[in-house]
Amino acid sequence: EIVMTQSPATLSVSPGERATLSCRASQSVSSNLAWYQQKPGQAPRLLIYGASTRATGIPARFSGSGSGTEFTLSISSLQSEDFAVYCCQQYNNWPRTFGQGTKVEIK
Amino acid sequence: QVTLRESGPALVKPTQTLTLTCNFSGFSLSTSGMCVSWIRQPPGKALEWLARIDWDDDKNYSTSLKTRLTISKDTSKNQVVLTMTNMDPVDTATYYCARTTLGSYLDDWGQGTLVTVSS
Repeated sequence: EIVMTQSPATLSVSPGERATLSCRASQSVSSNLAWYQQKPGQAPRLLIYGASTRATGIPARFSGSGSGTEFTLSISSLQSEDFAVYCCQQYNNWPRTFGQGTKVEIK
Repeated sequence: QVTLRESGPALVKPTQTLTLTCNFSGFSLSTSGMCVSWIRQPPGKALEWLARIDWDDDKNYSTSLKTRLTISKDTSKNQVVLTMTNMDPVDTATYYCARTTLGSYLDDWGQGTLVTVSS
């Protein structure tokens, strides 16, 4: 099965700054990569699919890039509501697999 | 509006079988391309994909858990059921169901249900 590895585990960022999160697949997943945001006590929310397409209602400050094995989620100017855990998921192969998550915390 | 809600026991004993139900609205599992997936998350840990079933009754399972999992659907009731046998304390987690289109990304999620495995 495909192993998804995210880095860093924790990212400390000041409000208004840019955050860049990485996700690496153990083999190519083409562009079949999604990003989710999860806040404490809540279910994950779909942010990005197809590696770079924002889901409905997701602000433009969220952007995704990459293909193959290397992917990036960028948040251009962090707002207070963006401090959360971000997780990537591949849907190119069965079984589907998730990364372990990156926590974005206030610096 | 798509909604999903998980239900099941909050506490199960080791070796018991867990049965979880996902009740959904706003879409039909008889529609081509529609799927429902189950995902779990142990406290403080990462998400783990478990299983999915599609409109055509095709199923996929987690490699490590497939001998213990069964997913089924009742299209007329808008329900998907997941059973997991031989529960162990390491299976303590919040279990989510989610709508998936073509078995790909997880569009809409239920609120999750916490299952604790303890004697």
